[in-house]
Amino acid sequence: EFVLTQSPATLSLSPGERATLSCRASQSLNAYLAWYQQRPGQAPRLLIYDASKRATGIPARFSGSGSGTDFTLTISSLEPEDFAVYYCQQRGNWPLFTFGPGTKVDIK
Amino acid sequence: EVQLVESGGVVVQLGGSLRLSCAASGFTFDDNTMHWVRQAPGKGLEWVSLISWNGGSTHYADSVMGRFTISRDNSKKSLFLQMNRLRTEDTALYFCVKEGDYGTGGYFDHWGQGTLVTVSS
Repeated sequence: EFVLTQSPATLSLSPGERATLSCRASQSLNAYLAWYQQRPGQAPRLLIYDASKRATGIPARFSGSGSGTDFTLTISSLEPEDFAVYYCQQRGNWPLFTFGPGTKVDIK
Repeated sequence: EVQLVESGGVVVQLGGSLRLSCAASGFTFDDNTMHWVRQAPGKGLEWVSLISWNGGSTHYADSVMGRFTISRDNSKKSLFLQMNRLRTEDTALYFCVKEGDYGTGGYFDHWGQGTLVTVSS
């Protein structure tokens, strides 16, 4: 079974601070990993794909890195609208897709 | 502008059936693989099913295999999910999702707002 683990479960930070979110895969994904943001009451939004490529319209403060089994999403300076839940998702095990359990970034 | 509008979510009895629909616009529907992804109340995201651009290939999560059927009508730019033998654990918000193309294949680049399915015991 392919499993994605995200840490921490909750990250409490202030606006302007740097956020570092982790996603770990149970098997190597090469770089086939994406990150999504979900604000309360909204659908998820694609932020990063192929581990480090920003999706269309995503601000430069969002960046992704990693390969193999360890991946990181970094938000360089938190804006008020960035407080949300973030999910990682793998496509390396096509046609079965998996999401991580999510990291909630909330206001400290 | 890409739009995905789901419908069909209701309260249904345990063991019952339901058909969800998704109306797509703003892109070439028959160029894209489409998916259903669900989210139980207060929980994370779970991929449910995919269908290829022409309907020739379908895949399902183990949790719904044999009970759910995904289909599409490209002439009507519509995606469907037939849900049978519903269980309480199928209670969720069901999102219609467009898979990306070109460099974003395998990722979900547009999402509907979801339709809520509640399975009552």
